Amino acid sequence: AQKVTQAQTEISVVEKEDVTLDCVYETRDTTYYLFWYKQPPSGELVFLIRRNSFDEQNEISGRYSWNFQKSTSSFNFTITASQVVDSAVYFCALSDHMEYGNKLVFGAGTILRVKS
Amino acid sequence: GAVVSQHPSRVICKSGTSVKIECRSLDFQATTMFWYRQFPKKSLMLMATSNEGSKATYEQGVEKDKFLINHASLTLSTLTVTSAHPEDSSFYICSARTLGLKETQYFGPGTRLLVL
Repeated sequence: AQKVTQAQTEISVVEKEDVTLDCVYETRDTTYYLFWYKQPPSGELVFLIRRNSFDEQNEISGRYSWNFQKSTSSFNFTITASQVVDSAVYFCALSDHMEYGNKLVFGAGTILRVKS
Repeated sequence: GAVVSQHPSRVICKSGTSVKIECRSLDFQATTMFWYRQFPKKSLMLMATSNEGSKATYEQGVEKDKFLINHASLTLSTLTVTSAHPEDSSFYICSARTLGLKETQYFGPGTRLLVL
């Protein structure tokens, strides 16, 4: 069975601090996809990144970076120099390699509060 | 690209009435759409997977006669909450999967349903 664990329920930081959101996953599939979504107070989920299981390269996009480690089944997300606008709920999700369906299994989410 | 809209964004209805929520992919064709439910401060719970032209597949514990899903075209899926009751009050979110990037789901802005 697939499972995604986001152990951090809530994190509070002061603006300009770096913050890392943890994500640990479980799957028996060898081919799978990992995602991060951001849900601001408005409610809409914003797609941030997709990573497939064969690509362990870390990725950086502006202030965002992701660290994918298959050995520890983790896909952590780091925000550098956090800003108030980063305040949101962040979800990590896992999808298997079903040809038709690709259901997403979500973690419980981490509430990030960035204070000025 | 990959924009998904939902209508209405908010709806208040009386107990016993039915409510229809529309989910549209605006700039791509979606062979598969997903319907989620999210309770306050909770993660997303998949309700059903909707494939264009065929019956929806419901997750365990979701009443298909209560939550009617229709996916009549490649850009439109509807969720009808029949005979709504206060416990149906929730945030309903749809997502659509693109043909080109099958693994990525793009989410709509959600619909807040309040049943009085």
